[in-house]
Amino acid sequence: DAGVTQSPTHLIKTRGQQVTLRCSPKSGHDTVSWYQQALGQGPQFIFQYYEEEERQRGNFPDRFSGHQFPNYSSELNVNALLLGDSALYLCASSMDRGPGNTEAFFGQGTRLTVV
Amino acid sequence: GIQVEQSPPDLILQEGANSTLRCNFSDSVNNLQWFHQNPWGQLINLFYIPSGTKQNGRLSATTVATERYSLLYISSSQTTDSGVYFCAVEPWAGTASKLTFGTGTRLQVTL
Repeated sequence: DAGVTQSPTHLIKTRGQQVTLRCSPKSGHDTVSWYQQALGQGPQFIFQYYEEEERQRGNFPDRFSGHQFPNYSSELNVNALLLGDSALYLCASSMDRGPGNTEAFFGQGTRLTVV
Repeated sequence: GIQVEQSPPDLILQEGANSTLRCNFSDSVNNLQWFHQNPWGQLINLFYIPSGTKQNGRLSATTVATERYSLLYISSSQTTDSGVYFCAVEPWAGTASKLTFGTGTRLQVTL
């Protein structure tokens, strides 16, 4: 059983460019959440997708957008990249059994460097 | 929003020593998870523990939800235990599996 997989593992982009990160959830999972982890900090919630809709969003600007496909895989898009967007981007998947009954599993992350 | 604090921020142990990591949270939670982040960035699930005590080999965890804290115990530590340990909570009024993370405890186990 494959776990959560993310691609690419590393990426270097120039300020102002756009980037797309991809995530395939664990088999049987229907919910995908994205997190940003800056160096030396804990992951910060960006947004969550369920049934192809954005269900919840953290405190991130509209430059961050996403999508969930019918097979539950997901993309994170970031437009107009800033140096401060350099971080490890983590995808988590879960099978929604309601609050308090849902365990999240994480991929290995995509390390984005903006120069 | 909910605040999650972990202590100590840094810990250095000799191989074979025991340790206790603490996670305090400021409000009621539906769920709490402990993770180990390895040097490559992968978050590895250790415990899913909204309340009570669980054990898995040399690791065990206890969550006292009414007092808003959780403890992670590592016994007979090994060099492979090195890395950052995070607790993450799902707030009471929140969405399933939307997690708020603590700042982590960085553990280094030396020979």
